[in-house]
Amino acid sequence: KNQVEQSPQSLIILEGKNCTLQCNYTVSPFSNLRWYKQDTGRGPVSLTIMTFSENTKSNGRYTATLDADTKQSSLHITASQLSDSASYICVVSLTTDSWGKLQFGAGTQVVVTP
Amino acid sequence: DTEVTQTPKHLVMGMTNKKSLKCEQHMGHRAMYWYKQKAKKPPELMFVYSYEKLSINESVPSRFSPECPNSSLLNLHLHALQPEDSALYLCASSQARASSPYTDTQYFGPGTRLTVL
Repeated sequence: KNQVEQSPQSLIILEGKNCTLQCNYTVSPFSNLRWYKQDTGRGPVSLTIMTFSENTKSNGRYTATLDADTKQSSLHITASQLSDSASYICVVSLTTDSWGKLQFGAGTQVVVTP
Repeated sequence: DTEVTQTPKHLVMGMTNKKSLKCEQHMGHRAMYWYKQKAKKPPELMFVYSYEKLSINESVPSRFSPECPNSSLLNLHLHALQPEDSALYLCASSQARASSPYTDTQYFGPGTRLTVL
């Protein structure tokens, strides 16, 4: 069973608009949570990383939030651009596993239209 | 240099062929990974190398054979693959610290798109 659930599966937004992606996880104990952006046919690129003590982290127009109590994270994209069209993947890292194996969400496919 | 490079970008092979995928990084990372990603699915971990030693093999079939000749290079040797092995193969690297080797950010390469006929 996937321990990292993302919603929505896909999203279409107009250029210039904002959007928010959700990530719920059941991974425990939790080390850190990352958001990656993956363009079609390319490798994922890290956007933000947060430990359990951090509530928010920004990277340009991307802002991630984390609520470790409710095990929820969100990624907010401000003033979307056509280049934001990609899959956004939530990735959670374990602590008990000695190799800190990553748990990947299935991703949210974002399409930005002119 | 924060780049992980992979070659080739695309590979088409028959089920009887032998081919290799290559991955290289010059960030001084001592942990390197191979992932397999099918369309619209998250990456699946295949192998992990730490300090040039195989640390994790996620029950991958023996037709996939990893090799880490030095700290900068990672190869994946392919032999007698099946059509269902067609996927995007991603290489990644991260710093490997003694206390917590894999909680550092993994840097991914662009991937090799493999098609098995």
